[in-house]
Amino acid sequence: DAKTTQPNSMESNEEEPVHLPCNHSTISGTDYIHWYRQLPSQGPEYVIHGLTSNVNNRMASLAIAEDRKSSTLILHRATLRDAAVYYCILRGYNFNKFYFGSGTKLNVKP
Amino acid sequence: EAQVTQNPRYLITVTGKKLTVTCSQNMNHEYMSWYRQDPGLGLRQIYYSMNVEVTDKGDVPEGYKVSRKEKRNFPLILESPSPNQTSLYFCASSSPDRVQDEQYFGPGTRLTVT
Repeated sequence: DAKTTQPNSMESNEEEPVHLPCNHSTISGTDYIHWYRQLPSQGPEYVIHGLTSNVNNRMASLAIAEDRKSSTLILHRATLRDAAVYYCILRGYNFNKFYFGSGTKLNVKP
Repeated sequence: EAQVTQNPRYLITVTGKKLTVTCSQNMNHEYMSWYRQDPGLGLRQIYYSMNVEVTDKGDVPEGYKVSRKEKRNFPLILESPSPNQTSLYFCASSSPDRVQDEQYFGPGTRLTVT
């Protein structure tokens, strides 16, 4: 299964943009890139996903490199409520296995 | 309200005593999955189900069983629990649509096996 690599932790100031990187050099052509986050004491929640083009939704933006070997989750204005562990995941063509990896713990300072 | 429910939320049991953790979703999702979360190891997939009567192993299936007799339910069965199965368990569901493909997670079940 294709795997992802993320920094263990990152820190941001409140109301500033945050760029969370993810490397996935073994991604296959049919893998979708997903991002989930897990707030303290909660189950993971979906953030965004994409295949090749950059994607935007109400929570974040996803920038995907042209060669698809890396991607970046962008939180445009971090809030204290965005402090969480962010997981970058590759979702295969058959939608079966789901590998979370260790994620990036984001700390947001007031 | 669209949701995934798990019961019980907390469970303390002894080694070898069979237990079942239930998972139910009200979104008519085909895909359901179980994960365990351990400190330093992140979330690891135990079993998943693509639809009724269709189940398959994830990364850490040893010591667990599942069944999918109805679309809405996906129970996790520990026939003979051991202390190394002490963990936080999450159930999730989604509809395998590449456009939507949002996986919904339950609130978690914290299991302690002594």
